[in-house]
Amino acid sequence: EAQVTQNPRYLITVTGKKLTVTCSQNMNHEYMSWYRQDPGLGLRQIYYSMNVEVTDKGDVPEGYKVSRKEKRNFPLILESPSPNQTSLYFCASSSSKKKVDIQYFGAGTRLSVL
Amino acid sequence: AQSVTQLGSHVSVSEGALVLLRCNYSSSVPPYLFWYVQYPNQGLQLLLKYTSAATLVKGINGFEAEFKKSETSFHLTKPSAHMSDAAEYFCAVSGSGGYQKVTFGTGTKLQVIP
Repeated sequence: EAQVTQNPRYLITVTGKKLTVTCSQNMNHEYMSWYRQDPGLGLRQIYYSMNVEVTDKGDVPEGYKVSRKEKRNFPLILESPSPNQTSLYFCASSSSKKKVDIQYFGAGTRLSVL
Repeated sequence: AQSVTQLGSHVSVSEGALVLLRCNYSSSVPPYLFWYVQYPNQGLQLLLKYTSAATLVKGINGFEAEFKKSETSFHLTKPSAHMSDAAEYFCAVSGSGGYQKVTFGTGTKLQVIP
């Protein structure tokens, strides 16, 4: 079954404590993205990756890091989380073999930074 | 630069009535346009996409959208609302022809009244 898996689904942490949200896809997709969803703001792209070792900033990259060492994994790293990073995060993947392909989303990670 | 405006953060319709969710876009290049649906506590699911072929695009669950270049619009419609259509709907634009850089609207919550 085609899947994008995010972990953890829920996370409560404190300001400044480094954390990583993992994302893995089993579809051999080249493209992967991270979004955050906030009430009234919709989804905003944080970072995206077009392939292994190729990443670029989205609209709201400040305070986040990503890496793409393997095709299937695209972890989101918060080196020093702050309360304004409390949000719902989604990972997504899609294939580049078709010019415009379906984008598959994970189930989301709800993060609270105290 | 690209942007999406969704008119109406909340829309209520009676069961069986027409659903119309409005989306206007801005893009400096020919756009690719998408509608996504998000059910409570779930990730996003693609409803339909416009890729410069037919201007009237049919999607899943009886939804369709019409691309109108002169009006820079991509409104989502469904002839007869079902209770199961209650969800949040997001319009999105990609100007690069793929999923590298996607901008989402702020979303419209659809309420279906029995």
